[in-house]
Amino acid sequence: GAVVSQHPSWVICKSGTSVKIECRSLDFQATTMFWYRQFPKQSLMLMATSNEGSKATYEQGVEKDKFLINHASLTLSTLTVTSAHPEDSSFYICSARKRTSGSMRSYEQYFGPGTRLTVT
Amino acid sequence: QKEVEQDPGPLSVPEGAIVSLNCTYSNSAFQYFMWYRQYSRKGPELLMYTYSSGNKEDGRFTAQVDKSSKYISLFIRDSQPSDSATYLCAMSPTNFGNEKLTFGTGTRLTIIP
Repeated sequence: GAVVSQHPSWVICKSGTSVKIECRSLDFQATTMFWYRQFPKQSLMLMATSNEGSKATYEQGVEKDKFLINHASLTLSTLTVTSAHPEDSSFYICSARKRTSGSMRSYEQYFGPGTRLTVT
Repeated sequence: QKEVEQDPGPLSVPEGAIVSLNCTYSNSAFQYFMWYRQYSRKGPELLMYTYSSGNKEDGRFTAQVDKSSKYISLFIRDSQPSDSATYLCAMSPTNFGNEKLTFGTGTRLTIIP
């Protein structure tokens, strides 16, 4: 397996403030990380694909100016929720793809534990 | 029609029973198939990863892929209360490093002691 961590695991902030969430691949390097959002009892919604050293690719309907993504190194991607509002309250999960061993190039996707954001 | 369909459940079975979880899909380009387990308020955990059609077994878990029917299954033998979680199927056409996964909605499973 592989380990992906997120920090913080839970954050409460006031409306209008910005919150930064970190995603780290602890035992492997990841050129690509993904950020998801998940509402209670719903599946994962992909927000954006984070590429090391380049701009993130956002999914349709996701505001790139509101959800700032930076992938500055092969083990760290950050998601900043700017000017957060109560409707941004959600569970944010990152994932990273690890290249598997063997002759055939393939990648397995591992998820972080998630960050619960509550905006009051 | 969603690309991936998964019965959301909830599904409740007694401890020790065999559990069958399924997904159907419409995109014939999908070749890589995964099952994830997600406990409440946690990130998904990769359980099984398969390529193309066939079976793959890992302990009490067996993943089956039938590409001709566009149908994948996860079987859990000798189910335990600790297996209670939401199970998500996921798939992609390629396995390149930047490939996005398409997820099912997840099936909530409860194993009754």
